[in-house]
Amino acid sequence: SQQGEEDPQALSIQEGENATMNCSYKTSINNLQWYRQNSGRGLVHLILIRSNEREKHSGRLRVTLDTSKKSSSLLITASRAADTASYFCATDATGNSGYSTLTFGKGTMLLVSP
Amino acid sequence: DTAVSQTPKYLVTQMGNDKSIKCEQNLGHDTMYWYKQDSKKFLKIMFSYNNKELIINETVPNRFSPKSPDKAHLNLHINSLELGDSAVYFCASSPGHGRKETQYFGPGTRLLVL
Repeated sequence: SQQGEEDPQALSIQEGENATMNCSYKTSINNLQWYRQNSGRGLVHLILIRSNEREKHSGRLRVTLDTSKKSSSLLITASRAADTASYFCATDATGNSGYSTLTFGKGTMLLVSP
Repeated sequence: DTAVSQTPKYLVTQMGNDKSIKCEQNLGHDTMYWYKQDSKKFLKIMFSYNNKELIINETVPNRFSPKSPDKAHLNLHINSLELGDSAVYFCASSPGHGRKETQYFGPGTRLLVL
């Protein structure tokens, strides 16, 4: 079954504002990753946070992970029009096959207006 | 110098036809994947190969047959196409299949079955 669920489904903000997206999941994970997808393009990896980490930064991105609540958040600070895209969380878990599998949520569509 | 490439980018075909999608990665990765993204943007893994060996095979109709001639290529053949096969198919690769692996996605193949 689907692992990650992003919230909100869509978010519209002005340039310069911060954007926060949330992700909830259901089972134990090895790590959680965030990806961005521009319209009509493939997914691009943004950041990975391990299950034993609580917070991670990369440029204007800040990711938190709360394994007790099985949730993560992605904060984009000082947003730009170029940040307009869909953002997906993906949980990395070991499946029945014994191999690590990424399971994606449905994504949050972010629109940043100039 | 494209990292993960897919052909064709667009594919429009009639129900009942057989079609193939090709994927190549020049990153030297051992593991490759096929994902299906439906109209609601839900991205789901279909198959994964590691060094030409099938390691993940999700519940996918056996009309879909992946083939990896070498570790840099993973092709997807679809027999007797159905309307519900219409989606965007993404190929991806990662260095290995262990934990903490980042995946690199191709640009996608947009399949429309009429």
